[in-house]
Amino acid sequence: GDSVTQMEGPVTLSEEAFLTINCTYTATGYPSLFWYVQYPGEGLQLLLKATKADDKGSNKGFEATYRKETTSFHLEKGSVQVSDSAVYFCALYLFNKFYFGSGTKLNVKP
Amino acid sequence: GAVVSQHPSWVICKSGTSVKIECRSLDFQATTMFWYRQFPKQSLMLMATSNEGSKATYEQGVEKDKFLINHASLTLSTLTVTSAHPEDSSFYICSATGVPYEQYFGPGTRLTVT
Repeated sequence: GDSVTQMEGPVTLSEEAFLTINCTYTATGYPSLFWYVQYPGEGLQLLLKATKADDKGSNKGFEATYRKETTSFHLEKGSVQVSDSAVYFCALYLFNKFYFGSGTKLNVKP
Repeated sequence: GAVVSQHPSWVICKSGTSVKIECRSLDFQATTMFWYRQFPKQSLMLMATSNEGSKATYEQGVEKDKFLINHASLTLSTLTVTSAHPEDSSFYICSATGVPYEQYFGPGTRLTVT
């Protein structure tokens, strides 16, 4: 079936460190791929998206490239900030449904 | 951007009672609303999809008689947990979309059944 697998957390980094959160997917069709962020006590917010293979989504310094050959959509940021501390969810959209990964908690220390 | 609200944000109820959670799209008309359940440290699990004026479509394993969903207008959907039990305690999140795959999420409602 359709599903998303992302690395377990928590991930703890120092400020200005490089971030990678791995995400791979399984899909029966050609999905769109998303990263959502959830700050404490808040709902999910769309961080970035890519709708077809080789597309790169980017926002607020975060990037992810839709890799069809490796069925991956890894999230990266060159220099994290304390304010990036949150839970990040990878998701795929296919046939009018979203499938979410289990979430990765990121802690950034000053 | 588009805003989705949920009410209440937190509710405690006694076992056997029913509780209603509202989901509203504040500045757009939502053709479809989704209800999710999120367990601690786990992902969102889609419970049901509702379209305005029609019956909700429930995911496999979700009891439609226990989780009643009504999508009365293009800006309001409600989830009623009937005869709640402690195992229904969870974080319930709704989302709304007016355009395919542009989903906007509510802040969630934490339900605790004692």
